Amino acid sequence: GQNIDQPTEMTATEGAIVQINCTYQTSGFNGLFWYQQHAGEAPTFLSYNVLDGLEEKGRFSSFLSRSKGYSYLLLKELQMKDSASYLCAVRDGGGGNKLTFGTGTQLKVEL
Amino acid sequence: DADVTQTPRNRITKTGKRIMLECSQTKGHDRMYWYRQDPGLGLRLIYYSFDVKDINKGEISDGYSVSRQAQAKFSLSLESAIPNQTALYFCATRVGPNTEAFFGQGTRLTVV
Repeated sequence: GQNIDQPTEMTATEGAIVQINCTYQTSGFNGLFWYQQHAGEAPTFLSYNVLDGLEEKGRFSSFLSRSKGYSYLLLKELQMKDSASYLCAVRDGGGGNKLTFGTGTQLKVEL
Repeated sequence: DADVTQTPRNRITKTGKRIMLECSQTKGHDRMYWYRQDPGLGLRLIYYSFDVKDINKGEISDGYSVSRQAQAKFSLSLESAIPNQTALYFCATRVGPNTEAFFGQGTRLTVV
């Protein structure tokens, strides 16, 4: 089976740095995605990790440790528009290569 | 125009009615997916298709059916809607297993 855990909510201050963690236990592993979703809108792609290490893309970075079943999304220089839900999704190792999503972390950025 | 278009965007229907949600894409992707999203439960996979002749059940397919009419079109049907199918439904496409998914804007379905 698949199990993906993320904190439900986080609050951070504008201009600060926040780290959103994701742990997973899945039957096989073929990559981990992070998506951003504003309320009532479609999820949009942020990052993809398949090998251990840090992937940096502008203000957003994502880290993966396959041996620990752990990833985090790092958001720097937080802006009010970063207030959204952040979804961790794991691609399994089965023939379908399906994506299983976590329940998401609701981030609130305050002044 | 959006790359992945869902219709309708909002729908209220009565228990027992049949309803179809439609998805069309202009990205030329073979892989298409239907998810539902409920508060506290995240996105859950209903059905997916890798080409016109390929249909696969996801984790919560009971009460749903799909049709892949063409590479660009993937529709989801609720044969007899029930209130616990009230949710936000998303269609998504991908070009391959290692690539990002592109989501439609969602259909908010309410079954009363």
